Amino acid sequence: GNSVTQMEGPVTLSEEAFLTINCTYTATGYPSLFWYVQYPGEGLQLLLKATKADDKGSNKGFEATYRKETTSFHLEKGSVQVSDSAVYFCALKTSYDKVIFGPGTSLSVIP
Amino acid sequence: EAGVAQSPRYKIIEKRQSVAFWCNPISGHATLYWYQQILGQGPKLLIQFQNNGVVDDSQLPKDRFSAERLKGVDSTLKIQPAKLEDSAVYLCASSLGRTSGGAGTGELFFGEGSRLTVL
Repeated sequence: GNSVTQMEGPVTLSEEAFLTINCTYTATGYPSLFWYVQYPGEGLQLLLKATKADDKGSNKGFEATYRKETTSFHLEKGSVQVSDSAVYFCALKTSYDKVIFGPGTSLSVIP
Repeated sequence: EAGVAQSPRYKIIEKRQSVAFWCNPISGHATLYWYQQILGQGPKLLIQFQNNGVVDDSQLPKDRFSAERLKGVDSTLKIQPAKLEDSAVYLCASSLGRTSGGAGTGELFFGEGSRLTVL
C-alpha cells in the first residue's frame, strides 16, 4: 500500500542552523510528493511540491528533491528562523488524487 | 477567492451522542476530502469525493461515520454514535482534481478544521 514515514520529532534548532527533516515513502506507480506546514494556530498549507523523479521543489528557502531510487523527499533549509517553528508534514498523492500524510515533525527554532 | 469553509469550529458532546460537520469547498474544486487529525498525529484520510461520487472511503468507520456530498458542492460528515476515541480535529480540504483539464497542481486547500471533544 501507500504510506509516508518521517523522522521522529520534536526537533529543536538554534536560529541560523541547518535543517533536514527526512521523509521516505512507499507507493505504487509514480506519486507526486509534497511538504505541508502547519504554523501554530493556523491551518495546513502547502510549502512545496515535486511531481516527478529528480524534480526539486522550493519555497521560502526550503528545498526538497524527489529521489525515486531511495524513495525519499527530504526537506532542507540552510538557515532556519524563529518564524519557521511549525509542524511539517510530508505527503504523497496517488494517480487517483488520494493524498496520504506522514505523522508530522515538530520544529522549534530558538533565538 | 474564498477559502474552504467549515463549521462548527468547536463541538463538545458526550459519548453515544451524534454530531455533524459541514464543509463548503472552494468554488470549482471537484475533489473534496475529509481527514481526521488526532492530537500529535498526521491527518488520516476518511473519505474522498470526486464531484458527488465517492473515490475512496476505505478508512471510514462505516458503522458510525457517514458522509455525503450532494450536488457535488458542499459536504457533511456525521458521527453517530460518538466514542471517546473520536476526539480529534476534522479537516476538510478541496482541490481542482482530475477534471481540471490536466494533472492540476495537486495542491490541497484546507479549512480551519472542526475540533471535536467527546466526553
